[in-house]
Amino acid sequence: AQTVTQSQPEMSVQEAETVTLSCTYDTSESDYYLFWYKQPPSRQMILVIRQEAYKQQNATENRFSVNFQKAAKSFSLKISDSQLGDAAMYFCAYRRDSNYQLIWGAGTKLIIKP
Amino acid sequence: EAQVTQNPRYLITVTGKKLTVTCSQNMNHEYMSWYRQDPGLGLRQIYYSMNVEVTDKGDVPEGYKVSRKEKRNFPLILESPSPNQTSLYFCASSFGAGGPSEQYFGPGTRLTVT
Repeated sequence: AQTVTQSQPEMSVQEAETVTLSCTYDTSESDYYLFWYKQPPSRQMILVIRQEAYKQQNATENRFSVNFQKAAKSFSLKISDSQLGDAAMYFCAYRRDSNYQLIWGAGTKLIIKP
Repeated sequence: EAQVTQNPRYLITVTGKKLTVTCSQNMNHEYMSWYRQDPGLGLRQIYYSMNVEVTDKGDVPEGYKVSRKEKRNFPLILESPSPNQTSLYFCASSFGAGGPSEQYFGPGTRLTVT
């Protein structure tokens, strides 16, 4: 069964600095999608970035980028130039190819220090 | 405005009193899903639907029912709620289930069962 692990329950970073959130997953599938979602205090789930497993190039969206290591089954999120608005829970998710179900990690709470 | 709506946003009820949480999307999405979010566990899928009249169980379906009579609506029914169903519930939808399809989330429903 697929599992997703986020080993950092909480991370803090100084405003304008860079922070990396970790995510590892376990799967026997060869093609799949990985996602990072952000959940601010409003509770709304917002897609940050996605990565398709067969693409070797790491996805990038403005200040957000991933380090995707398929062999290591690692999918970390790097946030550059951290801003106060980045404070939120961040969830890593794996999409199961058989029924398209999203499998979620437990989340990492990101604190931005002004 | 493209959106997923859920009602109610907050609900406090008593054990055994049947309730329905509605979910509606205006994006003509085929795929819809219900998740529950509990601290330290991330999100877990309850039920999903690939299209009208097509529903299937997720990882935690016990105690819940769903129906998909219309494409836009996907209500979650708790026939006899119990305190262990106290949670934050999210409805989500996407155009398709696979590929890079992003799931759009509703604002969440905070349910408390006493």
